[in-house]
Amino acid sequence: NAGVTQTPKFQVLKTGQSMTLQCAQDMNHNSMYWYRQDPGMGLRLIYYSASEGTTDKGEVPNGYNVSRLNKREFSLRLESAAPSQTSVYFCASSEVDRPRTQYFGPGTRLLVL
Amino acid sequence: AQSVSQHNHHVILSEAASLELGCNYSYGGTVNLFWYVQYPGQHLQLLLKYFSGDPLVKGIKGFEAEFIKSKFSFNLRKPSVQWSDTAEYFCAVNARSGGFKTIFGAGTRLFVKA
Repeated sequence: NAGVTQTPKFQVLKTGQSMTLQCAQDMNHNSMYWYRQDPGMGLRLIYYSASEGTTDKGEVPNGYNVSRLNKREFSLRLESAAPSQTSVYFCASSEVDRPRTQYFGPGTRLLVL
Repeated sequence: AQSVSQHNHHVILSEAASLELGCNYSYGGTVNLFWYVQYPGQHLQLLLKYFSGDPLVKGIKGFEAEFIKSKFSFNLRKPSVQWSDTAEYFCAVNARSGGFKTIFGAGTRLFVKA
C-alpha cells in the first residue's frame, strides 16, 4: 500500500497563476482532508470531504477550491495564486467512524512569488 | 470554538533526558486526542491516540500520554529520549460532536543532542 500520495512535491508559481494539487489514497477511506502548514501555526484545515460526493469548508478556505473526484482522489485548486498561499500543503485521509485517525501524505511545498 | 495549546515551541534536550510536552485543549464535551510526529523530511504520522478507556495511553517508540479530563490536558512523555526523537510534535483534538474537524496545536520542535 502506498498510503496517501501527493503530487507535485514542489512547485513555484507566479502571483495570479493557477494550479491543482493532486491527492490519492489506497486505504479505502471515506474521508479526505486538505491542510496547510505554516511555521508557528500548526496545521490548518482548508477543506474536507466527509465522504465521496461531499465537500465542506474548513478553517481557511478562501482562495481554494476542491474536487472529490472519486473515493480515492481529492484535489485542491488555487485559481489565482497569492504570496500568502506560500505554504506546505498536506492531504490526509481517515475512516468516517471515530476516532478518525488521520493518515498524511508527504506534502507539497508551494512557493508563490 | 475548540483550540489546542502547546506550551513549548522549541525544546532542546540531551540524550537520555526525560521529556514532557504539554498540551491543553479547550472544549467542554467529549473528545478524541492525538499526538502526531513529523520527523525531518517526512510526513506526519500518528504517535498515539486516546479514544476511551485507560487515560494513560502508550504509543510507538516508548512514548506515552496521559489524559487528565479535569485539566483538559494530554501531555506527552518519554522517560529517556534518543537522538532519533528529533522531530516536530503536534497535539490534536477532535470533538465527538464536532463533525470532521480536527484541531491541531502549533507544534513543538524537539532537538535531541547526541
